[in-house]
Amino acid sequence: EPEVTQTPSHQVTQMGQEVILRCVPISNHLYFYWYRQILGQKVEFLVSFYNNEISEKSEIFDDQFSVERPDGSNFTLKIRSTKLEDSAMYFCASSADGASSSEQYFGPGTRLTVT
Amino acid sequence: AQKITQTQPGMFVQEKEAVTLDCTYDTSDPSYGLFWYKQPSSGEMIFLIYQGSYDQQNATEGRYSLNFQKARKSANLVISASQLGDSAMYFCAMSLKRGNYQLIWGAGTKLIIKP
Repeated sequence: EPEVTQTPSHQVTQMGQEVILRCVPISNHLYFYWYRQILGQKVEFLVSFYNNEISEKSEIFDDQFSVERPDGSNFTLKIRSTKLEDSAMYFCASSADGASSSEQYFGPGTRLTVT
Repeated sequence: AQKITQTQPGMFVQEKEAVTLDCTYDTSDPSYGLFWYKQPSSGEMIFLIYQGSYDQQNATEGRYSLNFQKARKSANLVISASQLGDSAMYFCAMSLKRGNYQLIWGAGTKLIIKP
């Protein structure tokens, strides 16, 4: 069964460093998402992406964040200068279409720890 | 404001009993979707069941069913014949048309199945 993959599974970085989280969505999906979940808290939407551009972004997704689809398979989230409060689990998701009924398939997540 | 509320932070249930996890939502959009996801201790997000706002019948997927009461704006998850492997966090989420139907999440319910 096709699945979303994410690398690395765990990343430790120092405050102020740049990190790139990588995702490979399901191959025929067209819509891509990043969510984050701070430990013990609810999942929060960060950004959605379609047709090589951002469709929607939340207040969390400030200028420190960027997303890119550098080739036909990868979808990346970059945090330019990490802060302690960026420590969280980051989930990538993809869906076949943009309908409200469309299931978003989640990757296993990347646990980011900023020290 | 769009919102998902899960009022049960934690539940203990005896193995083989049925369990109902509560979810209420708030939106003025006529078209939306409701999802339940399971998050085991390993952290991945597993899709369980979906209910569309226009669906006339309650969704069912194996041991999972969704008790959808539109007038009350509730979408409770029912797990029949619970198993030890059902112990996990359970999240209710709603898809809203903002960009590409981002998911709005509840705070989750930690379910522990007792042998």
